[in-house]
Amino acid sequence: GAGVSQSPSNKVTEKGKDVELRCDPISGHTALYWYRQSLGQGLEFLIYFQGNSAPDKSGLPSDRFSAERTGGSVSTLTIQRTQQEDSAVYFCASSLGVGNSPLHFGNGTRLTVT
Amino acid sequence: GESVGLHLPTLSVQEGDNSIINCAYSNSASDYFIWYKQESGKGPQFIIDIRSNMDKRQGQRVTVLLNKTVKHLSLQIAATQPGDSAVYFCAENGSGTYKYIFGTGTRLKVLA
Repeated sequence: GAGVSQSPSNKVTEKGKDVELRCDPISGHTALYWYRQSLGQGLEFLIYFQGNSAPDKSGLPSDRFSAERTGGSVSTLTIQRTQQEDSAVYFCASSLGVGNSPLHFGNGTRLTVT
Repeated sequence: GESVGLHLPTLSVQEGDNSIINCAYSNSASDYFIWYKQESGKGPQFIIDIRSNMDKRQGQRVTVLLNKTVKHLSLQIAATQPGDSAVYFCAENGSGTYKYIFGTGTRLKVLA
């Protein structure tokens, strides 16, 4: 079946502009995560959604970052007033969210802030 | 703090040889472990997982070994192929939690 889909695959924006990144998780997956990966670095946790529960936003680096998940499916990560340090690849992942289940990742959105 | 780490940041192996990628974890409460493969420009791809009630699990050309005594995880790739060239991450998860901790990765280079 279809995997996790992210759009756009690449985004170049000017410093100070707002950007929206979209994630379509695997159908039936109740858990959705956003991670960030800077060049040569590991995966940095940003936010977690599980069903209708309040999201865990503890990984968001600043109040310029926010995320929503509508209808328990599609999620949008918004970065306001982008800064050059926001440049990274942003990955979305989803899982069944029950017991020990692996995360399935999309191919990410490469964000470049000029 | 708790962490997952990798002993070797880069591993070069001859095509056809076996590869072993290692990972150490520090959280004794972790009971679920995953190996991911990440090719350039792509997202991490699930390879194989193992639960703490197992010591070994085999997949197609891959084997994961778990040594809970020394908190060590390894990924063995048999008959390494050029297509295996990628960065490999281990990840750990604790029972009843949703957070996964990822290592920074080991780059595997397959030499022709």
